[in-house]
Amino acid sequence: EDQVTQSPEALRLQEGESSSLNCSYTVSGLRGLFWYRQDPGKGPEFLFTLYSAGEEKEKERLKATLTKKESFLHITAPKPEDSATYLCAVRDRGSTLGRLYFGRGTQLTVWP
Amino acid sequence: DGGITQSPKYLFRKEGQNVTLSCEQNLNHDAMYWYRQDPGQGLRLIYYSQIVNDFQKGDIAEGYSVSREKKESFPLTVTSAQKNPTAFYLCASSIDGYEQYFGPGTRLTVT
Repeated sequence: EDQVTQSPEALRLQEGESSSLNCSYTVSGLRGLFWYRQDPGKGPEFLFTLYSAGEEKEKERLKATLTKKESFLHITAPKPEDSATYLCAVRDRGSTLGRLYFGRGTQLTVWP
Repeated sequence: DGGITQSPKYLFRKEGQNVTLSCEQNLNHDAMYWYRQDPGQGLRLIYYSQIVNDFQKGDIAEGYSVSREKKESFPLTVTSAQKNPTAFYLCASSIDGYEQYFGPGTRLTVT
């Protein structure tokens, strides 16, 4: 059973059309939720860490929020350069040595 | 510049051959990780290490081996026992076991 589920699997937006990506998790005790951006053929790039419900982080057009069961990555007025796969990962209370559990990602395409 | 390097970027091998993927970091991070990424799947953990000369199996360690003789280096060997070795391999490191920073990846193709 997956500990982390991301939806939708793919999202196509017109430039300027705001939307949200979802990451739901089922770990027993959250020690951190992480968002990454991955471009094709490259390694993931770290974006945000969220630790507790109610926490929010922002970076340019991206805003990440966290509740007790899920996180949202809000994209405001996206541009074509925001096209990428966005990955969510969690660390749970029982995790040893910082191992993370990753979702399968949301592939975002922003067209002009 | 601090960062994580992986080499080579592309690697081609014949079935039945062992191959070693390189991962080096100059971030002074204690923890290092190896993941495998296949199309449509999340990153799956192969091995991880917190300190030199110590490492643990992840979820899919069968057919892989690692060593951690230096803090900066965590090479991964894909052995002939790995049934489906063709994949994108990612190395990561972390200073405190929270945020992990990734290298550029190695795409391995075995024919």
